[in-house]
Amino acid sequence: SQKIEQNSEALNIQEGKTATLTCNYTNYSPAYLQWYRQDPGRGPVFLLLIRENEKEKRKERLKVTFDTTLKQSLFHITASQPADSATYLCALFTSGTYKYIFGTGTRLKVLA
Amino acid sequence: KAGVTQTPRYLIKTRGQQVTLSCSPISGHRSVSWYQQTPGQGLQFLFEYFSETQRNKGNFPGRFSGRQFSNSRSEMNVSTLELGDSALYLCASSLEGANMGYGYTFGSGTRLTVV
Repeated sequence: SQKIEQNSEALNIQEGKTATLTCNYTNYSPAYLQWYRQDPGRGPVFLLLIRENEKEKRKERLKVTFDTTLKQSLFHITASQPADSATYLCALFTSGTYKYIFGTGTRLKVLA
Repeated sequence: KAGVTQTPRYLIKTRGQQVTLSCSPISGHRSVSWYQQTPGQGLQFLFEYFSETQRNKGNFPGRFSGRQFSNSRSEMNVSTLELGDSALYLCASSLEGANMGYGYTFGSGTRLTVV
């Protein structure tokens, strides 16, 4: 069956360190993969999109990698700050399903 | 520019009633998608509308329906509400459809509670 897995356990890291979040998927061939940030009681906010033929994308302190062989995306936040504390969601778009499927998200807490 | 506006923000309904939720996308965005978010299931896709046509539909019962107007505003309707329909309903707009590789802009959602 098709699955998207994000670490359901919260990730706690110290301020200034690099946070690395994982998105694994099975039985999908995604054309695009997106990362979103969601704060409590709010809608997700789009951060980055990476296409199947791209290995890496960067935006300021954010970096996303996409390994279609491992069926995995890694999301990095460098020099993390307490304001980065939120839930981070990955979402896959496949031409087969023709829609975005979301993972359940990983809660990140950056400790001051 | 204004973001995605969802109304109402909060709603309490009784089992068996029906409800209509509204979404105004970002000006110029033609695609509107609806998602249901619950703690156990995460975001589940309901449907996508593009230029007033439903382009894709998730695995929800027929009690869930939607439509899009010529100005791209969208509504979703849930009839015969069940307790399990309690959730945060999120609307997402994008310039073109999801297949074009655009990110979504989400609204803040409508929190529906069914009692």
